[in-house]
Amino acid sequence: QVRLQQWGAGLLKPSETLSLTCAVYGESFNDYFWTWVRQIPGKGLEWIGEVNHAGRANYNPSLKSRVSILGDTLKKQFSLKLRSVTAADTAVYFCARAALNRPLDYWGQGSLVAVSS
Amino acid sequence: DIQMTQSPSSLSASVGDRVTITCRASQGITNDLGWYQQKPGEAPRRLIYAASTLQSGVPSRFSGSGYGTEFSLTISSLQPEDFATYYCLQHNSYPRTFGQGTKVEI
Repeated sequence: QVRLQQWGAGLLKPSETLSLTCAVYGESFNDYFWTWVRQIPGKGLEWIGEVNHAGRANYNPSLKSRVSILGDTLKKQFSLKLRSVTAADTAVYFCARAALNRPLDYWGQGSLVAVSS
Repeated sequence: DIQMTQSPSSLSASVGDRVTITCRASQGITNDLGWYQQKPGEAPRRLIYAASTLQSGVPSRFSGSGYGTEFSLTISSLQPEDFATYYCLQHNSYPRTFGQGTKVEI
């Protein structure tokens, strides 16, 4: 049974770096795209980006200048870093998995990250 | 970016009703579309992939259709546990984009 478990700091000050990690259980790290999605409270879903097992990443242009997504095949983990956060980055962040030519299927539990001075 | 225009943004329905939600893509995406259900405080749950393939374990009252730019999700007979928000997601090109969501209320 595939399970994604995520963790990271939940409260940041403006200009700090958001850092989240997602661990993959019950499935190979290869052959999938490991993805981050966020949801501003009460709003819709925004795709942030993804990384595959070879380290190739794709990012949303709206965040590309501030975001890094890295994968660690040995640990079966992947991470999200979002630099220079503002209050507009306050959201629930989800990690998720996509197979080739398929939309996201398995999701982490979500992490609320608040940015406040 | 491909824009996914989802409608309606919300709807009121009763148990047993037939409900249809639509997503329109700003350009053709073949059948690279999924549908998701999200309940408050939970992660989205995939219902449909490849526009019309039912995810294993999802009740057969859910169905999807469409190709190219027009897609729909239908719930044939609404059940109490179906009151939630529904999203479409295109994975034809980058960045992946979601519809704005449809809240199904009693």
